[in-house]
Amino acid sequence: NAGVTQTPKFQVLKTGQSMTLQCAQDMNHNSMYWYRQDPGMGLRLIYYSASEGTTDKGEVPNGYNVSRLNKREFSLRLESAAPSQTSVYFCASSGRTGLNEQYFGPGTRLTVT
Amino acid sequence: TQLLEQSPQFLSIQEGENLTVYCNSSSVFSSLQWYRQEPGEGPVLLVTVVTGGEVKKLKRLTFQFGDARKDSSLHITAAQPGDTGLYLCAGAGNSGNTPLVFGKGTRLSVIA
Repeated sequence: NAGVTQTPKFQVLKTGQSMTLQCAQDMNHNSMYWYRQDPGMGLRLIYYSASEGTTDKGEVPNGYNVSRLNKREFSLRLESAAPSQTSVYFCASSGRTGLNEQYFGPGTRLTVT
Repeated sequence: TQLLEQSPQFLSIQEGENLTVYCNSSSVFSSLQWYRQEPGEGPVLLVTVVTGGEVKKLKRLTFQFGDARKDSSLHITAAQPGDTGLYLCAGAGNSGNTPLVFGKGTRLSVIA
């Protein structure tokens, strides 16, 4: 039981390049989330998926797209990376409606030069 | 917009000292969670408090939910270097899978 896995762990991109961050969970959770974490800014929600087949914008969605591929997988795509997207990205999942207790992956450290 | 304010932002203490960190809001939450994040890792859920006035203990950590469900505190007794990390509080709204509201965290350093 791996919980929430994310790939890659580290990535360096040049401005304008694109990439997809992958996330998978094996806990049969309905909801999945993408956050970014920057010093002094805390965790900010980018997009979330309350259930398979649905996605919604969070606090900072600009420059990102998501795909809920199936119940297990939720990917985050940067179409044209910018230096402002340098951050640590966390995927999370939750299964208990109402309490919304979240289980986080280990993170992807992205640098855009 | 619901906001959670955490204080203090940074805390550096000696091993064996006690400490309390706070999580405050003007909004009511249906429940409140505390997470700990160690360097290079994702946050890990410590506890969820649901009822106003509720107190939960996890070894040397004591969590309290305010009577009005707008605030919470985390008290650590006899802190140890292993307690070092970023402590995040997060509030859940009243409807279904509304995303959590996270505070910005308290960064704790316990020096041996």
